[in-house]
Amino acid sequence: SQKIEQNSEALNIQEGKTATLTCNYTNYSPAYLQWYRQDPGRGPVFLLLIRENEKEKRKERLKVTFDTTLKQSLFHITASQPADSATYLCALEPTSGTYKYIFGTGTRLKVLA
Amino acid sequence: ETGVTQTPRHLVMGMTNKKSLKCEQHLGHNAMYWYKQSAKKPLELMFVYNFKEQTENNSVPSRFSPECPNSSHLFLHLHTLQPEDSALYLCASSQDSSQGRGYTFGSGTRLTVV
Repeated sequence: SQKIEQNSEALNIQEGKTATLTCNYTNYSPAYLQWYRQDPGRGPVFLLLIRENEKEKRKERLKVTFDTTLKQSLFHITASQPADSATYLCALEPTSGTYKYIFGTGTRLKVLA
Repeated sequence: ETGVTQTPRHLVMGMTNKKSLKCEQHLGHNAMYWYKQSAKKPLELMFVYNFKEQTENNSVPSRFSPECPNSSHLFLHLHTLQPEDSALYLCASSQDSSQGRGYTFGSGTRLTVV
């Protein structure tokens, strides 16, 4: 079956360290993959998009990689801060141009001061 | 303020009630979406509107009825819901997804069916 997997276990890291979150997918060949941040009781906020022909994308302290052979994306937050604590969702568009993104369940990150 | 406004923020309704959720965006986006988010489950796509035309109805029960009168407004009409329909309902908009741009989500409506 087609699915997106994110580590459902919460990830706790110490302030200042690099957080790495994983998104694996099966039976898709997405043209785009996105990462979102969601705080409790709020809607997701778009962070980064990476295309299938891009290996890596950076934005300030954020870095996303996309390995279409492994069917995996990694999301890194460097020099993490307690304010980075949130749930991070990955999403992909199974068929380009359909206006439909499907989401993983998200990984909850807690950065400890 | 994200640019997508949803009202109400919270709603408690009985199973025999009729209510509507409202979503509004003034970002100039041409696609709007309804998603359902339940605890420990991924966001579930319910409906997609592109240029006011419904392009997706993801096997959603008929007790949920969407309406998109123009490209800036989206409604979700609710009637005879079940307790398992309690969830966070999120509206989102985007500008031409084929360009691979992100969604802008509203803050959601927390729905409780009693």
